[in-house]
Amino acid sequence: NAGVTQTPKFQVLKTGQSMTLQCAQDMNHNSMYWYRQDPGMGLRLIYYSASEGTTDKGEVPNGYNVSRLNKREFSLRLESAAPSQTSVYFCASSEWITGRSRNTEAFFGQGTRLTVV
Amino acid sequence: QQPVQSPQAVILREGEDAVINCSSSKALYSVHWYRQKHGEAPVFLMILLKGGEQKGHDKISASFNEKKQQSSLYLTASQLSYSGTYFCGTVDAGNNRKLIWGLGTSLAVNP
Repeated sequence: NAGVTQTPKFQVLKTGQSMTLQCAQDMNHNSMYWYRQDPGMGLRLIYYSASEGTTDKGEVPNGYNVSRLNKREFSLRLESAAPSQTSVYFCASSEWITGRSRNTEAFFGQGTRLTVV
Repeated sequence: QQPVQSPQAVILREGEDAVINCSSSKALYSVHWYRQKHGEAPVFLMILLKGGEQKGHDKISASFNEKKQQSSLYLTASQLSYSGTYFCGTVDAGNNRKLIWGLGTSLAVNP
């Protein structure tokens, strides 16, 4: 049971380049999240997906797009990378328990360390 | 809106106790507590759910005051391994799929 798998683990981009960060979970969770983590800023929500086929903006969505390809996969795309997007990116998933209106704990991937030069 | 954590940083000697607080301006469905060590992913400690249910680490306890929209994490008889940054995450009742996080509390336990 792999949990949440993120690829790549490290990436260096030049300003203006594009790339997609991949995330997959094998726990059959409904909810998936993308966060960025910068020193002193905690984990800031970029986008989230409450279920397959739906996505919503979080706190810092500008410069990013997402796709919930299926229940397992939730990708994050940087169309034109900027140095301000240098960060560590975490994907997470959790289960929403229908009928009890509550969610389980979140499971995190190992993170992608992205540097934009 | 991000939950607010306090204190920002704590330094303990091994064996001492600490309390980390988390508060929100919104009514909450759940509060999550995680610990993160440098260069690693956050690790689950505790989840507290509206209605009193909770699940988590057997050596760490927490409380959730739904009316006050506050939670506290209690670290007793701290060990060196407790060092790291502690984050509280909240899911608010108005948007119960959105999980957001406080800025973290840095905890250092010294021998």
